[in-house]
Amino acid sequence: AQSVTQLDSHVSVSEGTPVLLRCNYSSSYSPSLFWYVQHPNKGLQLLLKYTSAATLVKGINGFEAEFKKSETSFHLTKPSAHMSDAAEYFCVVSLFDSGTYKYIFGTGTRLKVLA
Amino acid sequence: ETGVTQTPRHLVMGMTNKKSLKCEQHLGHNAMYWYKQSAKKPLELMFVYSLEERVENNSVPSRFSPECPNSSHLFLHLHTLQPEDSALYLCASSQEVGGPSYEQYFGPGTRLTVT
Repeated sequence: AQSVTQLDSHVSVSEGTPVLLRCNYSSSYSPSLFWYVQHPNKGLQLLLKYTSAATLVKGINGFEAEFKKSETSFHLTKPSAHMSDAAEYFCVVSLFDSGTYKYIFGTGTRLKVLA
Repeated sequence: ETGVTQTPRHLVMGMTNKKSLKCEQHLGHNAMYWYKQSAKKPLELMFVYSLEERVENNSVPSRFSPECPNSSHLFLHLHTLQPEDSALYLCASSQEVGGPSYEQYFGPGTRLTVT
């Protein structure tokens, strides 16, 4: 089955420390991958996307993610967490299925940033 | 106004009411989507429209009825809902349906409570 797995449902970090949110995918094809962020009572905002170009992708707000085919991973990182980063993060894979491309959402990781 | 807008932002309705959710995108996209986001569950894709034509309907109960009069507007008509339909309903748009790297742009959502 083709899918995406976010390994942690909750992550807590202290302000100023690095952030790592993990995402693994399974796919028979070369996928496109996305990270979205959702602040409370808001819609999802695109942070970054990978579409078979450079494997290290830089996004908004200092976030970046690295596509590792050998590990089937697309982990999201940020060198230094800010209080405003507290939100829910979704890893999404675009997979070819039944003749079309579909968005498959992970279950989300809630990031808490401690002062 | 830019991006994807949704109205109303909050809606409380009884099980016998009829109401409609509205979504408008100002991005010139050809594809629009309705998602349901419930607590502790992955995002559920409900409907997909491409150039006003419904291309996907993911086994959604008939008490939800979508309408897409043009490529900029999308409605979700609601009638005789159940309490378990209470959720955040998100609208999204993308340049096209089915492209591997077409990111989706989300509206802020309508928080629906069925009493």
